[in-house]
Amino acid sequence: DTEVTQTPKHLVMGMTNKKSLKCEQHMGHRAMYWYKQKAKKPPELMFVYSYEKLSINESVPSRFSPECPNSSLLNLHLHALQPEDSALYLCASSRTLTDTQYFGPGTRLTVL
Amino acid sequence: AQKVTQAQTEISVVEKEDVTLDCVYETRDTTYYLFWYKQPPSGELVFLIRRNSFDEQNEISGRYSWNFQKSTSSFNFTITASQVVDSAVYFCALSEFQGLVTTDSWGKFQFGAGTQVVVTP
Repeated sequence: DTEVTQTPKHLVMGMTNKKSLKCEQHMGHRAMYWYKQKAKKPPELMFVYSYEKLSINESVPSRFSPECPNSSLLNLHLHALQPEDSALYLCASSRTLTDTQYFGPGTRLTVL
Repeated sequence: AQKVTQAQTEISVVEKEDVTLDCVYETRDTTYYLFWYKQPPSGELVFLIRRNSFDEQNEISGRYSWNFQKSTSSFNFTITASQVVDSAVYFCALSEFQGLVTTDSWGKFQFGAGTQVVVTP
């Protein structure tokens, strides 16, 4: 089983809203990732967690706040986003940082 | 500098034709991994294959085959007898490591720009 789930599938929010994206995996993977993907572009890495600790932050604006409550769950808290933040947000997980990443179906975010 | 080049932006074929996607990478590391992912219109990236730098064997999986050539820094992907369900964006990716791969190693994925494959009936 190589399933990563993400909720919600779609999200529309205003620039003053606070919302959260959720990612879950039950494969026992210890590394989890958030990517942002704009249309017709490859995914761009945002954050990496390894053993529930933030390992990599790719200079992401503070309006994006990641959280890893446990080894199976990864959240991305959103606050005061801009219209240019509209994108597909993908979560991935891997057994360790050097292993294959398995991606979830993504959340399509629209910021009005 | 772009480390993974997928020069083909879009390839259109008729069903049952073969299609080859090119991937050229650049690295100075001796240890690295190469990947192919498929992204259908639904958005999920589907893992297809991982190849490490020490394994140059070509691989075949059903209608899919991969040709890894270190001499030309290429890792090309062929779909034989294409089907409409193969329509998707395909990404090649590189993960590099300096020195040995250990539990502390981090190999950031560097994706190519992607190649859109359109298969028409």
